[in-house]
Amino acid sequence: QSVLTQPPSASGTPGQRVTISCSGSSSNIGSNTVNWYQQLPGTAPKLLIYSNNQRPSGVPDRFSGSKSGTSASLAISGLQSEDEADYYCAAWDDSLNGRWVFGGGTKLTVL
Amino acid sequence: QVQLVQSGAEVKKPGASVKVSCKASGYTFTSYGISWVRQAPGQGLEWMGWISAYNGNTNYAQKLQGRVTMTTDTSTSTAYMELRSLRSDDTAVYYCARDCSGGSPGDCDFDYWGQGTLVTVSS
Repeated sequence: QSVLTQPPSASGTPGQRVTISCSGSSSNIGSNTVNWYQQLPGTAPKLLIYSNNQRPSGVPDRFSGSKSGTSASLAISGLQSEDEADYYCAAWDDSLNGRWVFGGGTKLTVL
Repeated sequence: QVQLVQSGAEVKKPGASVKVSCKASGYTFTSYGISWVRQAPGQGLEWMGWISAYNGNTNYAQKLQGRVTMTTDTSTSTAYMELRSLRSDDTAVYYCARDCSGGSPGDCDFDYWGQGTLVTVSS
């Protein structure tokens, strides 16, 4: 059972806009920033969004992040076949001496 | 360019120990920390702990306390993660990731990752 809650799956057709939600609590998302990671099949995770809504260099602006209260979301516009991957949200949790916590991951399928 | 290169796959018997290495290049090693994250087959990501390459401070996930030790060798810019008393549910891909050196972890992220090391625990 993951500390952060994500839907296990999402889907969309090429060109569509999809959003993935991430729900937490006051000890994690409510008091710290949210990061999103993309994991393509068989590869290591890659930082996609940091500090709630910032894109690292090289990440297309089709990807955007937002946060409100104890929830966050990742939006992907102009969906492309290469976006098919697992997406994880993460945040620092201030409980238990401090720890990183992840969502369970959302498998995005491009139909 | 920043790179984290991990050691190769391991097969261990239950009760044994494993030590995975993560060699960093392309940045000042002691200006950052390293977090270790594992992923069991078909499962999500689990944070194992963090070490500051600046001063060696550590913070381990509560469930692994007593079984895991993270160290660094600043002379070779290498981080190590040792896991003892291995069980079958420790079978996973283990990743190292660049993290903050300390300060405010709530504003940090894992901006570079190693390629992963598969550790299989089987009798």
